[in-house]
Amino acid sequence: AQTVTQSQPEMSVQEAETVTLSCTYDTSENNYYLFWYKQPPSRQMILVIRQEAYKQQNATENRFSVNFQKAAKSFSLKISDSQLGDTAMYFCAFAGNNRKLIWGLGTSLAVNP
Amino acid sequence: GAVVSQHPSWVICKSGTSVKIECRSLDFQATTMFWYRQFPKQSLMLMATSNEGSKATYEQGVEKDKFLINHASLTLSTLTVTSAHPEDSSFYICSGEAGTSGYNEQFFGPGTRLTVL
Repeated sequence: AQTVTQSQPEMSVQEAETVTLSCTYDTSENNYYLFWYKQPPSRQMILVIRQEAYKQQNATENRFSVNFQKAAKSFSLKISDSQLGDTAMYFCAFAGNNRKLIWGLGTSLAVNP
Repeated sequence: GAVVSQHPSWVICKSGTSVKIECRSLDFQATTMFWYRQFPKQSLMLMATSNEGSKATYEQGVEKDKFLINHASLTLSTLTVTSAHPEDSSFYICSGEAGTSGYNEQFFGPGTRLTVL
């Protein structure tokens, strides 16, 4: 069975600095997708970034980038130039052949002014 | 991205009553909709997967007679919590997925907070 592990329950970063959130996963599948979702206090789940496992190039979306290490089954999220609006819960998620999302427990990120 | 709405956003009900939550895809046709439950400061737990026109598939441990799911059209799915009890109080989130092959992005609703007194 697939599992997703986020080992950092809480993190904090100063505004304008860079922070990295870690995520590891376990699967026997070769083709899958990995995601980082943001859930702000409004509770609306927002897709931050997505990575297809068959792509070697790390995905990037503006200030958000990932470090995808397929062999190590690691998928970390780097947030550059952190902004106050980045304060939220961040969930790492995996989707395999059955298209169901498997979620990590989340990392609560606080961006301090 | 595509928009999914949920109604109501917040509901309080008495123990023993039933509550219906609607999930609508506003600008796309959702061939598949997912229902999640989220406890405070916890992750999302998938409750069931519904495909338009067919019976929902429930995850292990989820009571299908208690959580009735109907996916009557490509834009509407409903979750009815029957004979609700305080332990059913939670945050319920739906998502819609377009397409049937490969992986298609799930678009999430804003959630419904259910409080059972």
